[in-house]
Amino acid sequence: AQKVTQAQTEISVVEKEDVTLDCVYETRDTTYYLFWYKQPPSGELVFLIRRNSFDEQNEISGRYSWNFQKSTSSFNFTITASQVVDSAVYFCALSLMNYGGSQGNLIFGKGTKLSVKP
Amino acid sequence: SAVISQKPSRDICQRGTSLTIQCQVDSQVTMMFWYRQQPGQSLTLIATANQGSEATYESGFVIDKFPISRPNLTFSTLTVSNMSPEDSSIYLCSVPGLAGDGGELFFGEGSRLTVL
Repeated sequence: AQKVTQAQTEISVVEKEDVTLDCVYETRDTTYYLFWYKQPPSGELVFLIRRNSFDEQNEISGRYSWNFQKSTSSFNFTITASQVVDSAVYFCALSLMNYGGSQGNLIFGKGTKLSVKP
Repeated sequence: SAVISQKPSRDICQRGTSLTIQCQVDSQVTMMFWYRQQPGQSLTLIATANQGSEATYESGFVIDKFPISRPNLTFSTLTVSNMSPEDSSIYLCSVPGLAGDGGELFFGEGSRLTVL
């Protein structure tokens, strides 16, 4: 069975601090996708990034960066110079590269609530 | 990414009633998915809505409680039947991204239901 663990329930930082959100996943499959989503207080889920299991390259997008390490089954998310607008719940998720079957079944972690204070 | 519209955005319902949530997508998609997010919790897949065939339900969810319709490639409904306070949740409709192969999903803004 697949599982995603986000051990940090809540994190509070002051604006301009860097913050890393941890994500550890479990799967016996060798082909899978990992995702991060942002859920601001308004409630919608915003897709941030997808990585596949073949590609361990880290990725940077503006103030956001992601560190994917298969050796530790981790896919951590770092926000540099955090801003108040980054306040949200962040979800890490996993899906298997199945063709047919439960293609829509993203396994979500429980989320990390990030509060960025001015 | 697709634009996904859900109605209602929120509602307060009485115990024992049923409510139908609508999901409209601005492009044709083969598969649509319904998720539930209980208060303070993560998201759980309820079912996959297939056009032209019955929905496929995940373990723990049954058609009698969550009937789904998928009349065409841009629209789906989810009904929450005989509601109880435990059904108070955000219900989200989602569709695959461009990859369409188990990759990312894009979500509607959700329908926040409160059952009294």
